[in-house]
Amino acid sequence: KAGVTQTPRYLIKTRGQQVTLSCSPISGHRSVSWYQQTPGQGLQFLFEYFSETQRNKGNFPGRFSGRQFSNSRSEMNVSTLELGDSALYLCASNLEWGNTEAFFGQGTRLTVV
Amino acid sequence: KNEVEQSPQNLTAQEGEFITINCSYSVGISALHWLQQHPGGGIVSLFMLSSGKKKHGRLIATINIQEKHSSLHITASHPRDSAVYICAVHNTDKLIFGTGTRLQVFP
Repeated sequence: KAGVTQTPRYLIKTRGQQVTLSCSPISGHRSVSWYQQTPGQGLQFLFEYFSETQRNKGNFPGRFSGRQFSNSRSEMNVSTLELGDSALYLCASNLEWGNTEAFFGQGTRLTVV
Repeated sequence: KNEVEQSPQNLTAQEGEFITINCSYSVGISALHWLQQHPGGGIVSLFMLSSGKKKHGRLIATINIQEKHSSLHITASHPRDSAVYICAVHNTDKLIFGTGTRLQVFP
């Protein structure tokens, strides 16, 4: 079956702009979670959605938001981009977040200039 | 102090060697994950553990809940095992990651 698909793979944005990233989970998976990976902070949990509801949220400012659609596809949005938002953004899909195997996408590498 | 600590941070090995990567955590968990990340960013889930031991091919993962410690073992290591190995724990409503162990296996 098809894996987790993230689009776009690479993105360059300017400070102050906003960006939307997309994640299509494995068919049948209703949990989608998002992560930020930077050289300084490593991997950090952003948020998790299940059946269109945000169930869990990490310690990120309100500029980071997301949503999930009825087909389980998820988007994350970052507004008013800062240089420090440059990172690899990964999403993962699960049958049930945390307690079942997670399947990760290839990530979107965002560069803010 | 980080809630999830991994050791070592870097590891080099000759092909065929037995490898152990350790993960210690200080929070209550419902599950622990071992992940593998290759250059380019893609992450693969290797194991999810809540108790005991799991084996998949040359990989073995163990967890001791009382000691809050997990190990990932690679038997007969191979250059294709070269990657970053990341431990992550599921703590109530969040996933907490270790900083990763960079493994290089030379032929």
